[in-house]
Amino acid sequence: GENVEQHPSTLSVQEGDSAVIKCTYSDSASNYFPWYKQELGKRPQLIIDIRSNVGEKKDQRIAVTLNKTAKHFSLHITETQPEDSAVYFCAASKGSGTYKYIFGTGTRLKVLA
Amino acid sequence: EAQVTQNPRYLITVTGKKLTVTCSQNMNHEYMSWYRQDPGLGLRQIYYSMNVEVTDKGDVPEGYKVSRKEKRNFPLILESPSPNQTSLYFCASRSYEQYFGPGTRLTVT
Repeated sequence: GENVEQHPSTLSVQEGDSAVIKCTYSDSASNYFPWYKQELGKRPQLIIDIRSNVGEKKDQRIAVTLNKTAKHFSLHITETQPEDSAVYFCAASKGSGTYKYIFGTGTRLKVLA
Repeated sequence: EAQVTQNPRYLITVTGKKLTVTCSQNMNHEYMSWYRQDPGLGLRQIYYSMNVEVTDKGDVPEGYKVSRKEKRNFPLILESPSPNQTSLYFCASRSYEQYFGPGTRLTVT
């Protein structure tokens, strides 16, 4: 069946360093790839997304890259801050016509001050 | 304020006792969805709805029912809850981006 693999499951970085989280999807028809941040005890919130007609998207310290040929996409956080500590989820969806989402299993990011 | 609400937020029940978790959104979104979140498994989609009277199965629909009689409401029904349905449940709605509700922590003993 369809699945999304996410790595690593935990990631610790020093404040100011960069963090990279990688996801691989199985369904080549997927064309929408959102990333969510979930702080402890809170609901997931969209932080950035990318569609299949774009290879990279950036929003301040956060960027997402997509390689459709290899079927993987990555989240890049630069100049990490303690408030970036959270669980991050990637997801893949086929987009228009259906909004079935397949999520990765999450990455717990710890930014050490 | 644009929001997705869920009730109850916490629920402890016993095996076999039917329950309903309500979900409501005030953003006039056509799309709504239910997820469960379990440690190590991430978020898994249970059911989703593209519009009123249109529902589709997600990845883990077994043991759940939904209905979409009005655009704003999308209740999740557990006809006969079992302990393996103990989980954290999120409702969501979307236009461009997906907005999640605050979550419902369900324990089935």
